[in-house]
Amino acid sequence: GAVVSQHPSWVICKSGTSVKIECRSLDFQATTMFWYRQFPKQSLMLMATSNEGSKATYEQGVEKDKFLINHASLTLSTLTVTSAHPEDSSFYICSARGRTSAAAEQYFGPGTRLTVT
Amino acid sequence: AQSVAQPEDQVNVAEGNPLTVKCTYSVSGNPYLFWYVQYPNRGLQFLLKYITGDNLVKGSYGFEAEFNKSQTSFHLKKPSALVSDSALYFCAVRDGSGAGSYQLTFGKGTKLSVIP
Repeated sequence: GAVVSQHPSWVICKSGTSVKIECRSLDFQATTMFWYRQFPKQSLMLMATSNEGSKATYEQGVEKDKFLINHASLTLSTLTVTSAHPEDSSFYICSARGRTSAAAEQYFGPGTRLTVT
Repeated sequence: AQSVAQPEDQVNVAEGNPLTVKCTYSVSGNPYLFWYVQYPNRGLQFLLKYITGDNLVKGSYGFEAEFNKSQTSFHLKKPSALVSDSALYFCAVRDGSGAGSYQLTFGKGTKLSVIP
């Protein structure tokens, strides 16, 4: 079946530094990737949608200069949290959809736990 | 606009008893409905989906869900709960009637606790 991986699974960084999270589709070509953020005991909130080779579309209230998304290939999207602050600490989850995905099917990565100290 | 409501923050059920996790939705076009399960510090695992066809959808791990158009509901059910079913369950919807970005809208989640 379709597998999506994320790296790293968890990361701790100091306030003011930047951290990059990778999302890879391992056995299919992901034409669209989604980035979600999840706070403890809360639902997933869509941050942005990216299509391969084009700029990401950010949801209202998400700072595109702070959360840089790059979808440079059909198997890789990256989310870079720039100048991270403690309030950016969260669980970040990506999902991917391919050309041949069953109707509306998205495949989710295992998530990345970011802690900013 | 589309939205999902999961009215229960938590559902407790005894092992072996049937379980139901409720979900209602709102979407302007044709609803594509999904259930996902999340274990602590893990991503989402797909359980089942309704796109079209039979209103009763069977999915992974013995779960099923019934699409009810008149009540705009898509409740998740299992005849006999297992302790290992304890997790966080999310209902999601997408408007399947037209072209779009395939964005899913999630409910807030329901924590299921199965008591031995």
